Amino acid sequence: GESVGLHLPTLSVQEGDNSIINCAYSNSASDYFIWYKQESGKGPQFIIDIRSNMDKRQGQRVTVLLNKTVKHLSLQIAATQPGDSAVYFCAETLWQKVTFGTGTKLQVIP
Amino acid sequence: DAGVIQSPRHEVTEMGQEVTLRCKPISGHNSLFWYRQTMMRGLELLIYFNNNVPIDDSGMPEDRFSAKMPNASFSTLKIQPSEPRDSAVYFCASGSRDQQPQHFGDGTRLSIL
Repeated sequence: GESVGLHLPTLSVQEGDNSIINCAYSNSASDYFIWYKQESGKGPQFIIDIRSNMDKRQGQRVTVLLNKTVKHLSLQIAATQPGDSAVYFCAETLWQKVTFGTGTKLQVIP
Repeated sequence: DAGVIQSPRHEVTEMGQEVTLRCKPISGHNSLFWYRQTMMRGLELLIYFNNNVPIDDSGMPEDRFSAKMPNASFSTLKIQPSEPRDSAVYFCASGSRDQQPQHFGDGTRLSIL
């Protein structure tokens, strides 16, 4: 069996504060990026996406920033709520082939 | 609309047995993806189809794994013979076109004893 697993970084945030989750991607040719949220026992759920010709995109309470120079993505969640507790994955895409990051666990402290 | 539907949700079987995982993509989506998630390796793409045709199977771990998509509304991932190291959560996802997000099912948790 597996004795060593991936170390998931954990971000603990007080309820109501803003959260920032960071991600480094690997392929400079990737042209589409997605943030997914995964709750226990469920599949990844789409949150927000951004194309490589943009550097910022905003949704409801969420913002994604893309820095292609350093191959970095971030997800900002405003006014974090207990329901935001989950594992968050960034994903980079080229020609529909998606490569996922290792994920960050977000813990919201009530 | 129904999302991606996977069955079974849980499967426990003994090593050496054949395992078949099933997926119904979202109606109208023309791409289908199979992923495996483990603590050791995270979320890995195994294979994907466009218009029922396999495009990239480079992530399929070995010949024991095979995937088919006989029509636009159904796909299977088969493991024969199964081994304990195949234990993982297997996800199916579907998408409509390039630069659009994939939509995931809730996965099949597979345990090989």
